[in-house]
Amino acid sequence: EAGVTQFPSHSVIEKGQTVTLRCDPISGHDNLYWYRRVMGKEIKFLLHFVKESKQDESGMPNNRFLAERTGGTYSTLKVQPAELEDSGVYFCASSQDTAASPLHFGNGTRLTVT
Amino acid sequence: AQSVTQLDSQVPVFEEAPVELRCNYSSSVSVYLFWYVQYPNQGLQLLLKYLSGSTLVKGINGFEAEFNKSQTSFHLRKPSVHISDTAEYFCAVIGGYQKVTFGIGTKLQVIP
Repeated sequence: EAGVTQFPSHSVIEKGQTVTLRCDPISGHDNLYWYRRVMGKEIKFLLHFVKESKQDESGMPNNRFLAERTGGTYSTLKVQPAELEDSGVYFCASSQDTAASPLHFGNGTRLTVT
Repeated sequence: AQSVTQLDSQVPVFEEAPVELRCNYSSSVSVYLFWYVQYPNQGLQLLLKYLSGSTLVKGINGFEAEFNKSQTSFHLRKPSVHISDTAEYFCAVIGGYQKVTFGIGTKLQVIP
């Protein structure tokens, strides 16, 4: 089966610009997660979709971040306007519908805001 | 609330030597525990998981971990490391509904 794919792999933008990250989960996985790792720090939870619904968005830093998952398939994470502190690696993960299902991660998008 | 502590940010070890990467967790509910590995420029891959049953779990690439409830630990071990094991290792816990909390990561550097 195809794994979780993320696009782009790298993005360099200037402060104030907009960036949209995309994640395609494994087919059939209802759960989709976004995580972020700022350099040298832990991987932090951003939000969790179950199909097209936001199950938990408690980790979203502020209203400059907008995540969508139309139709319950792929997801996008938009940052508008980007700030310097948004730099980091954004990981997407998906899992099946049991509580103990492991996460399957994409390779991440490395975002650099200059 | 739940948290994960990985006590060592970096662990250098000679090739063919044993290694232990430490992980402690805290949670107010029962948990599932995982170790993930990230090789350079790749995403995280599942090494092993503890859900229930035997406290000693075996994973891929010769790794194993032992769940110790009284010490709230889930240390990762390998009896003999290879150069290819050089990577960053993350301990993770699921407590509440599928919300995964990660540790800060431990970089394992295998020295030839």
